[in-house]
Amino acid sequence: DARVTQTPRHKVTEMGQEVTMRCQPILGHNTVFWYRQTMMQGLELLAYFRNRAPLDDSGMPKDRFSAEMPDATLATLKIQPSEPRDSAVYFCASGIRIGYQETQYFGPGTRLLVL
Amino acid sequence: DQQVKQNSPSLSVQEGRISILNCDYTNSMFDYFLWYKKYPAEGPTFLISISSIKDKNEDGRFTVFLNKSAKHLSLHIVPSQPGDSAVYFCAASGGNQGGKLIFGQGTELSVKP
Repeated sequence: DARVTQTPRHKVTEMGQEVTMRCQPILGHNTVFWYRQTMMQGLELLAYFRNRAPLDDSGMPKDRFSAEMPDATLATLKIQPSEPRDSAVYFCASGIRIGYQETQYFGPGTRLLVL
Repeated sequence: DQQVKQNSPSLSVQEGRISILNCDYTNSMFDYFLWYKKYPAEGPTFLISISSIKDKNEDGRFTVFLNKSAKHLSLHIVPSQPGDSAVYFCAASGGNQGGKLIFGQGTELSVKP
């Protein structure tokens, strides 16, 4: 049963600290997406990669957020320095394109609380 | 500019009856539509999809209808079960969005026994 895995599942940190979230996409999927879910904004796309290359990170605050794919089995989302407004659930999703259609499969999320 | 809208934040249905969740979109270039279900403290789970060349897709109790002229899609669940209680998101992709999915705000479905 292939799944997207995310670590940690929960993170509580203090303002100003660095936060790193990790994602392992489903083996064979070549697209990875990072989303943030808040009560006010719903599901927002932060960044995505295809074949490990960043395609779009326009949804991400560039001054403090960074996303990377060091290899095909690991994607990371880093916040430095973190702020209370970053508190949210961060989801990673992976997908594979068939023709022009791509279905994304989500991980369980990292629930981040910045105090 | 919200390109995908779910205008009903919540819906309550009796067990065994039909649940109908609605979604409207504004971008006529969208060509692929999906529904996801989300339980609390879990990630969204893919439920069913439809491409713009079809107007209906069925999978068990779930059917998605697409009306391109009205830019409207709906998800029908028949019969509804208490385990269907969750938040349902519709999403769309295509056109100049690349591989991105544009999500609606979600509709919370409650199926009462």
